[in-house]
Amino acid sequence: GAVVSQHPSWVICKSGTSVKIECRSLDFQATTMFWYRQFPKQSLMLMATSNEGSKATYEQGVEKDKFLINHASLTLSTLTVTSAHPEDSSFYICSGRGDTDTQYFGPGTRLTVL
Amino acid sequence: GEDVEQSLFLSVREGDSSVINCTYTDSSSTYLYWYKQEPGAGLQLLTYIFSNMDMKQDQRLTVLLNKKDKHLSLRIADTQTGDSAIYFCAERAQAGTALIFGKGTTLSVSS
Repeated sequence: GAVVSQHPSWVICKSGTSVKIECRSLDFQATTMFWYRQFPKQSLMLMATSNEGSKATYEQGVEKDKFLINHASLTLSTLTVTSAHPEDSSFYICSGRGDTDTQYFGPGTRLTVL
Repeated sequence: GEDVEQSLFLSVREGDSSVINCTYTDSSSTYLYWYKQEPGAGLQLLTYIFSNMDMKQDQRLTVLLNKKDKHLSLRIADTQTGDSAIYFCAERAQAGTALIFGKGTTLSVSS
């Protein structure tokens, strides 16, 4: 199957700083990328949907100014958590959707905010 | 609204069959998926079934879909300790939309 990578795989940061997470589709072009977050022992909750070259669509309750999403190319989307706080600590997973409409998930990024 | 429900835990002995159940509410779901997540890792797509199918088999995995009851199951034959993980059921209503996930079933396999 197609491969999606995320970088970094884990990050620890201080409260108030910003963190950027990259999601790359390695062997296919992802016209749409989805960002999810997962709290411990819980399901994946969709945060936003981004289409290449256009603004992301955020789910209800997700602050667009806090979670900045950029999908500048067909192989790269970034999620920036701005002014991170401990409650933003979570597992962030992206997925890319290619021409076949199948979604391929990245390995996730564990964010810990101290 | 859309909702996907799963039982939270399942414990089986090695060599037995495991059956993980899932119910969903959106009758317009086109594809239904099963993903596996091992501790600290991302999601691995195990299999999926299109809504006009009743059954799909792939090696040790059998997916059954009862569209009338909106019930999906995943059967793992000859369950191994390496199958211990969280299994997520997910649905997708329309092409191009995001997946809606259940809370996941933790499968524990004892030797």
